[in-house]
Amino acid sequence: EPEVTQTPSHQVTQMGQEVILRCVPISNHLYFYWYRQILGQKVEFLVSFYNNEISEKSEIFDDQFSVERPDGSNFTLKIRSTKLEDSAMYFCASSYTSGEGFFGPGTRLTVL
Amino acid sequence: AQSVTQLDSQVPVFEEAPVELRCNYSSSVSVYLFWYVQYPNQGLQLLLKYLSGSTLVESINGFEAEFNKSQTSFHLRKPSVHISDTAEYFCAVSETQGAQKLVFGQGTRLTINP
Repeated sequence: EPEVTQTPSHQVTQMGQEVILRCVPISNHLYFYWYRQILGQKVEFLVSFYNNEISEKSEIFDDQFSVERPDGSNFTLKIRSTKLEDSAMYFCASSYTSGEGFFGPGTRLTVL
Repeated sequence: AQSVTQLDSQVPVFEEAPVELRCNYSSSVSVYLFWYVQYPNQGLQLLLKYLSGSTLVESINGFEAEFNKSQTSFHLRKPSVHISDTAEYFCAVSETQGAQKLVFGQGTRLTINP
């Protein structure tokens, strides 16, 4: 069964450093998403991506964040200058239609 | 904009007892409804979904949820729980049009006691 994969599973970085989180969505899906879950809190939408552009983004997704689909398979989330409050589990998801998101296992980002 | 409320942050039950996890939503447009499960130290897995048709939907592991439009609810139920059902359960909605992002509730931690 196809699945969404994410790398790395855990990323530790220093405050102010740039990080890139990587995702490989399910191959025939058209919509791609990033969500995050701060420890003990609910899952929050960050950004959606369709037809090679951002289709919607939340207030959390400020200028420090960017997404890219550099080739036909990868979908990346970049945080330019990490802050302590960026520490969270970041989930990539993809869908073909109907809003149903297939989630990856997540990347735990720890900012020190 | 949509919002999801899961009234119970924690639900402890004994094994083989029935359980209901409550979910209410608000939206000015048509929505799809989902329940996701998160086992300890794992990602989110889709448990079941309502897109259209029958308002009662079932999962392969015995859970069911009923879409009640008049009460804007999508409660999750299981008649007899097992230890392995211990997990965090998230209710989510998405619009039926557009980018269809998911809006999640706060989650309900289901703890099964032997």
